[in-house]
Amino acid sequence: EAQVTQNPRYLITVTGKKLTVTCSQNMNHEYMSWYRQDPGLGLRQIYYSMNVEVTDKGDVPEGYKVSRKEKRNFPLILESPSPNQTSLYFCASSLMWGLTDTQYFGPGTRLTVL
Amino acid sequence: LAKTTQPISMDSYEGQEVNITCSHNNIATNDYITWYQQFPSQGPRFIIQGYKTKVTNEVASLFIPADRKSSTLSLPRVSLSDTAVYYCLVGPLRGTALIFGKGTTLSVSS
Repeated sequence: EAQVTQNPRYLITVTGKKLTVTCSQNMNHEYMSWYRQDPGLGLRQIYYSMNVEVTDKGDVPEGYKVSRKEKRNFPLILESPSPNQTSLYFCASSLMWGLTDTQYFGPGTRLTVL
Repeated sequence: LAKTTQPISMDSYEGQEVNITCSHNNIATNDYITWYQQFPSQGPRFIIQGYKTKVTNEVASLFIPADRKSSTLSLPRVSLSDTAVYYCLVGPLRGTALIFGKGTTLSVSS
């Protein structure tokens, strides 16, 4: 089954404790991205990757890191999480970069930073 | 990327037709219009995409006037399960990040 998986689905952590949210897709997609969703602010892009070893900042990259060592995986790293990073996070992938290709979204990761 | 404006929220009743309009005055010649739907606690999913005139699929219709400065997503005979956030995206087919914005929250009541 074609899908985007994220782990963990739920995470409660404390300020400053490094964490990684994994994202994996099994569709051989080139383009992957991370979004965060907050009430009243909509869906905002954090980082995106057009292919292996190619990443770029989205609208709200501060406090996050990403890497794309393999085509299928695109982990989101919070080196020193802070409470303002409490949010619902979505990973997405598409065949290529642009509107022509449907974006497939993961189930979401709800992160709480205390 | 063309800036889009859509209503923050809309209310409807089951069985009614719902039309959500998106304004995109500075749409470029090579821009397309795409709509996504997002249910609570789920990621958005693609609904429909078009360039001009009318596009219809099993879920919705998309109406785009000749000047392309706006578009209307039409949902026929909505049900409670159509309660969701609807996003209008405008941009070229290649080489752009997707900007979702805040979308339109549609609430359907019985």
